[in-house]
Amino acid sequence: AQTVTQSQPEMSVQEAETVTLSCTYDTSESDYYLFWYKQPPSRQMILVIRQEAYKQQNATENRFSVNFQKAAKSFSLKISDSQLGDAAMYFCAYTGRGAQKLVFGQGTRLTINP
Amino acid sequence: ETGVTQSPTHLIKTRGQQVTLRCSSQSGHNTVSWYQQALGQGPQFIFQYYREEENGRGNFPPRFSGLQFPNYSSELNVNALELDDSALYLCASSLTHGGSGFNEQFFGPGTRLTVL
Repeated sequence: AQTVTQSQPEMSVQEAETVTLSCTYDTSESDYYLFWYKQPPSRQMILVIRQEAYKQQNATENRFSVNFQKAAKSFSLKISDSQLGDAAMYFCAYTGRGAQKLVFGQGTRLTINP
Repeated sequence: ETGVTQSPTHLIKTRGQQVTLRCSSQSGHNTVSWYQQALGQGPQFIFQYYREEENGRGNFPPRFSGLQFPNYSSELNVNALELDDSALYLCASSLTHGGSGFNEQFFGPGTRLTVL
């Protein structure tokens, strides 16, 4: 079974600085997708960024980028120029190609200090 | 374009009762997935419905059941409620089409269920 682990229950960063959230996963599949979701206090899960396992190039979406290390099964999220609106729970998630479900980690609560 | 909506927002039930949660999928989507998110945890997959049939199920007992209607909206039913069923229940809709590529799931705001 696939598992996703986030070892940082809480992180905090000063506004405008850079923060990196960690995620590791375990799978025997070779073709899969990895995601970072943001869940603000409104509870609605929002997709931040996704990475396809067969792509070697790390995904980037504006201030958000990932460091995907397939051999190490590591998938970290870097947030540059942190903003107050970035404060939320962040979840790392996995799905196999053609699979029906997302497998989530336990989450990291990110606080942005003004 | 209307996003995913869920009702009710909050619900309080007592142990042993039954509950029905509702989800309206995003316009154009034909697949609905349900997740249970216990306090302080990540969401866990309950099941998925595609074309009104269950299309995958997580490690949840049979007292968790669902329906999908011709308009692709969905219900999650939980019988014989237990205290541990207290959680945020998230619905996500997606468009399943031919091929095995990625079908992005769009989440609703959830229903907070409290079992006393």
